[in-house]
Amino acid sequence: GAGVSQSPRYKVAKRGQDVALRCDPISGHVSLFWYQQALGQGPEFLTYFQNEAQLDKSGLPSDRFFAERPEGSVSTLKIQRTQQEDSAVYLCASSRDLGGTDTQYFGPGTRLTVL
Amino acid sequence: AQSVTQPDIHITVSEGASLELRCNYSYGATPYLFWYVQSPGQGLQLLLKYFSGDTLVQGIKGFEAEFKRSQSSFNLRKPSVHWSDAAEYFCAGEDQNTGNQFYFGTGTSLTVIP
Repeated sequence: GAGVSQSPRYKVAKRGQDVALRCDPISGHVSLFWYQQALGQGPEFLTYFQNEAQLDKSGLPSDRFFAERPEGSVSTLKIQRTQQEDSAVYLCASSRDLGGTDTQYFGPGTRLTVL
Repeated sequence: AQSVTQPDIHITVSEGASLELRCNYSYGATPYLFWYVQSPGQGLQLLLKYFSGDTLVQGIKGFEAEFKRSQSSFNLRKPSVHWSDAAEYFCAGEDQNTGNQFYFGTGTSLTVIP
């Protein structure tokens, strides 16, 4: 596709449910990033992949959060036993090359609401 | 700690007026710096970026930003604002050494009045 896509665009979950958020990066992009954007805040880094390798997961807020990219393309962010504080927009971004100088292209995000 | 600060939560300007959005960074070394724009329901779009070299950076949609090391700033400017520029603007920094973690500011919401 032409850009980064994310699905679903909106997700409502009851507290305690598990959710899975999908990110389709731009084809051929090596690097993939997940961010969490709370209402009225800037995005906050969650985790980073180079191909299938998760090189940095220091931003994941708890062990309820898990991300994978098994084949180095599509990525899934899973949140187990969702809590109300998990309500946010989850953004995915991809970049072509390794390292930090290449532009990150962002998807539209998935808005998660936990009731 | 590495951080990016946007002091202005909300700015209102008249259409046709000039615009400056402030961004300050706190990094041990010169970071990579970026400005993104986010319209409602849209993804973040890169306006411009600074890595090194010329401290005045030109971006899309008529925006520019100037890196000032002495002030630890990377302010975004536009000489004449259009109504379509109304959006949320985010400044972001990236550590040159780690090269993978973006630190975003909290954003500045821009309102453009006729």
